[in-house]
Amino acid sequence: AQKVTQAQTEISVVEKEDVTLDCVYETRDTTYYLFWYKQPPSGELVFLIRRNSFDEQNEISGRYSWNFQKSTSSFNFTITASQVVDSAVYFCALSEASQGGSEKLVFGKGTKLTVNP
Amino acid sequence: KAGVTQTPRYLIKTRGQQVTLSCSPISGHRSVSWYQQTPGQGLQFLFEYFSETQRNKGNFPGRFSGRQFSNSRSEMNVSTLELGDSALYLCASSLEGQGINTIYFGEGSWLTVV
Repeated sequence: AQKVTQAQTEISVVEKEDVTLDCVYETRDTTYYLFWYKQPPSGELVFLIRRNSFDEQNEISGRYSWNFQKSTSSFNFTITASQVVDSAVYFCALSEASQGGSEKLVFGKGTKLTVNP
Repeated sequence: KAGVTQTPRYLIKTRGQQVTLSCSPISGHRSVSWYQQTPGQGLQFLFEYFSETQRNKGNFPGRFSGRQFSNSRSEMNVSTLELGDSALYLCASSLEGQGINTIYFGEGSWLTVV
């Protein structure tokens, strides 16, 4: 069965600090997809990144970077030089390709990030 | 390009009533899925539709149902509302589903059952 664990429930940092959000997943599939979403108080889930299981290259996008390691089943997200606008709940999610063509995301419980000025 | 649009954004219903929520996917997207978000259970998958057919269903009672129209727009219905159905209901769309494509979410419909 698929499972996503975000062990950090809440993180509080001071602006300009770097922060890493952890994500560990479980799946029996060899082909799967990992996602990160940001949820501000308005409720919308804002897409940040999608990574397939065959692409272990780390990715950097501005102040955001992602570290995907299949050996440890982790897909961690780092925000460099955090800003107050980064305050939100961040979700890691997993989708398996073997669901008969169906799309289903399994989410972690989320990590609430508060960036203080 | 318009994003995923959900209506209504906020609604209050009484226990025992039914509710219908609507979702318009991004133009060209054929897969629409629904999720329920509550403080206790987090984000849970309800069901997914592709080309008017339900391809997958989560572990929810039969009171929760949905459908998809030929223009890919989708509705979900909850009958005989219970207090525990109070939640944020999120709709998502993607081109083909299967996680191969990016999955985009709407702003959600906040349902309160009193």
